[in-house]
Amino acid sequence: KAGVTQTPRYLIKTRGQQVTLSCSPISGHRSVSWYQQTPGQGLQFLFEYFSETQRNKGNFPGRFSGRQFSNSRSEMNVSTLELGDSALYLCASRYAGDGDTQYFGPGTRLTVL
Amino acid sequence: KNQVEQSPQSLIILEGKNCTLQCNYTVSPFSNLRWYKQDTGRGPVSLTIMTFSENTKSNGRYTATLDADTKQSSLHITASQLSDSASYICVVSASSSASKIIFGSGTRLSIRP
Repeated sequence: KAGVTQTPRYLIKTRGQQVTLSCSPISGHRSVSWYQQTPGQGLQFLFEYFSETQRNKGNFPGRFSGRQFSNSRSEMNVSTLELGDSALYLCASRYAGDGDTQYFGPGTRLTVL
Repeated sequence: KNQVEQSPQSLIILEGKNCTLQCNYTVSPFSNLRWYKQDTGRGPVSLTIMTFSENTKSNGRYTATLDADTKQSSLHITASQLSDSASYICVVSASSSASKIIFGSGTRLSIRP
């Protein structure tokens, strides 16, 4: 079974631009979560989608948004990029509930110049 | 405040030696605790998961312990290999929602030949 895939793997943007990241979960998984990982803050939860609905949201500004499609694929959008948005963005999928293990993708490395 | 603290921040050991990583948490109510291994530039991979009633769980050369009374967990690595060089992240879940998943900042382990 294929793992979680994320595209693109690397991205360079300038301040003020917007970016869209994509995540394809493991087949059959209906929950997709997004995380931001930086050296100083570690892993921080952005949001979780389940069956096309946002189920939970972390403490990030409204510039960070996401959505999930009927095939469970998910996209994350960051508008008006700031230097501090430079990070590794990880997507994780799981079948449904908390007892299910989250499987992480390789991440998208975003650099904002 | 829900927190997960890991120690040490970094560790260097010689190949073949054993080591133990620590995780202290103040997450409540406790649901489960996971240890993840994250290679540089890759997404985290689950090593073990333990619920309240479990006090030890093994995965090959990795053995995790949990003391729910003192809210402490440890990850013991036996006969370390060069491929064990990675960050090890302790993750505690407080409920069934992804937003209640609290990540530790990780221990960076380096194995020297």
